[in-house]
Amino acid sequence: KAGVTQTPRYLIKTRGQQVTLSCSPISGHRSVSWYQQTPGQGLQFLFEYFSETQRNKGNFPGRFSGRQFSNSRSEMNVSTLELGDSALYLCASSTGLANYGYTFGSGTRLTVV
Amino acid sequence: TQLLEQSPQFLSIQEGENLTVYCNSSSVFSSLQWYRQEPGEGPVLLVTVVTGGEVKKLKRLTFQFGDARKDSSLHITAAQPGDTGLYLCAGVGTDSWGKLQFGAGTQVVVTP
Repeated sequence: KAGVTQTPRYLIKTRGQQVTLSCSPISGHRSVSWYQQTPGQGLQFLFEYFSETQRNKGNFPGRFSGRQFSNSRSEMNVSTLELGDSALYLCASSTGLANYGYTFGSGTRLTVV
Repeated sequence: TQLLEQSPQFLSIQEGENLTVYCNSSSVFSSLQWYRQEPGEGPVLLVTVVTGGEVKKLKRLTFQFGDARKDSSLHITAAQPGDTGLYLCAGVGTDSWGKLQFGAGTQVVVTP
């Protein structure tokens, strides 16, 4: 079966711009989570969507937002980019059942200059 | 916030040696997952442990969940260069839908 697809793989943006990242989960998976990974902070949870509803949210500013579509595909948006937003953004797909494992995509490497 | 502490941060060993990575918390988790991540890629799930005291084996890898569901360990027997990678433990809180709390990771390097 196809894995989790994240696009684009690499992005370079300027401070103040906004960016939209896309994630297509494994077919049949209704849960999509987003994580930010940086060398200093490791993997940090952004938010999780299940059947188009946000079920959980991490401690990130409101500049970080997301949504999920009826086909379970998800997007996350970061507005007013800051240098500190440079990171690997990872999307994870799951059935949404408790204690079920997650399948991660290869990530989008965002660089803010 | 439920914090997970991994130790050690870095392990460098020779092929054929054994190693153990620890993951500890003061909080109870409903389950704990272990992942391995290669540079530039997303983490890949190795195992999920759910029951306190549970032991799971995956070829040369042995995973254990503490009786109180607050800690876990990963033991690799006769490590091979292909075991090189960043090992991450991640806990699922008792009331945290879809949220994994990750440890900082243990970088393992196995040299031939």
